[in-house]
Amino acid sequence: AQSVAQPEDQVNVAEGNPLTVKCTYSVSGNPYLFWYVQYPNRGLQFLLKYITGDNLVKGSYGFEAEFNKSQTSFHLKKPSALVSDSALYFCAVRDVRSGNTGKLIFGQGTTLQVKP
Amino acid sequence: GAVVSQHPSWVICKSGTSVKIECRSLDFQATTMFWYRQFPKQSLMLMATSNEGSKATYEQGVEKDKFLINHASLTLSTLTVTSAHPEDSSFYICSARVHRRSRLAGVNEQFFGPGTRLTVL
Repeated sequence: AQSVAQPEDQVNVAEGNPLTVKCTYSVSGNPYLFWYVQYPNRGLQFLLKYITGDNLVKGSYGFEAEFNKSQTSFHLKKPSALVSDSALYFCAVRDVRSGNTGKLIFGQGTTLQVKP
Repeated sequence: GAVVSQHPSWVICKSGTSVKIECRSLDFQATTMFWYRQFPKQSLMLMATSNEGSKATYEQGVEKDKFLINHASLTLSTLTVTSAHPEDSSFYICSARVHRRSRLAGVNEQFFGPGTRLTVL
């Protein structure tokens, strides 16, 4: 079965410190992986995606993610966290069972809290 | 990037009434739009896939007669919650999948609307 797991409900980090938000996946075939951020009462904003190519993907707002096939992980990282990064983060994988519809399977979400 | 709008951004209605939510792709065409439901501090639950010019595909457990979806054009999909009840109160989010590559978006990229907060009294 295809799935995405975000093992941490919440991540707390001090401003200026590096942050990591974890994501693991289970898919058949090559995964298409995504990270989105959601601010309160707002829709999702795209951060970055991995389709193929370099395992380290750079995205918006200084975020990056590393695709690790052997560990089936796609952790989101940022070298220096900002208070404004505090939000809800979702990892997603494209549902290959749906053909070419583009359906996404989302993880449970991780709340990132950056303290000054 | 490309923009997806939703209208209204919030709505409060009485139990038993119907509510229509619009999802528009403002600067690109979308043959496919998705409707999600999100409960507080939870993930997005896909309700249905809306296909331009054809019937929507509903996920298991979603009542198609309760949540009517119409995708009349390449830039507009609507979700109507019929005979709404308090348990239908939720945050509804749509996303639109790019049909044709433009300067704003690549083909098959997906963009999310800002969401609609529905409260049924």
